[in-house]
Amino acid sequence: GNSVTQMEGPVTLSEEAFLTINCTYTATGYPSLFWYVQYPGEGLQLLLKATKADDKGSNKGFEATYRKETTSFHLEKGSVQVSDSAVYFCALFSNDYKLSFGAGTTVTVRA
Amino acid sequence: EPEVTQTPSHQVTQMGQEVILRCVPISNHLYFYWYRQILGQKVEFLVSFYNNEISEKSEIFDDQFSVERPDGSNFTLKIRSTKLEDSAMYFCASSDGQSLLPYEQYFGPGTRLTVT
Repeated sequence: GNSVTQMEGPVTLSEEAFLTINCTYTATGYPSLFWYVQYPGEGLQLLLKATKADDKGSNKGFEATYRKETTSFHLEKGSVQVSDSAVYFCALFSNDYKLSFGAGTTVTVRA
Repeated sequence: EPEVTQTPSHQVTQMGQEVILRCVPISNHLYFYWYRQILGQKVEFLVSFYNNEISEKSEIFDDQFSVERPDGSNFTLKIRSTKLEDSAMYFCASSDGQSLLPYEQYFGPGTRLTVT
């Protein structure tokens, strides 16, 4: 079946530090890959997506590249801000029309 | 900007009681979903709903669970006889079903269900 494994947290960083959250997947077919973010007290929001191999999704300074050869979709941001403190979820969407999520990684950015 | 809303934000119930979690999806959306996240675990798919019927459900979604769209705006998840292990955050989501696949799913803020 489909599954997503992402880096366990929590992750604590200082402002302007580099952030990487690893995500790997197992899927049948050709899944689309997503990163969702959940800010405190809010719902899950789509951060970025990639629908085919070698696509790069980007938004708000975050980037992730769909790597079919390593079945990965690692999230990166070059310089984080306090406002990036949130829980980040990697997810895939495949032929079964539902999202399969990773466990989520809590990121805290200190001023 | 349109958003998915859920009520209540937190529900406490005793084991064996029935609970109904409510969601108002985005108004022109056609697909509706429930997911749940047990504390410290993954967000798990429960059920999807389209055209007034269940289109897919997971093995978690047993006979204790049901979904309904009682009117043109609400989408509910009912748990008939709650168990301790039903304690989780429940997320509702909707998608328009009219754009290209994959349909983007818009999530609500969740309802935290605590079964005592």
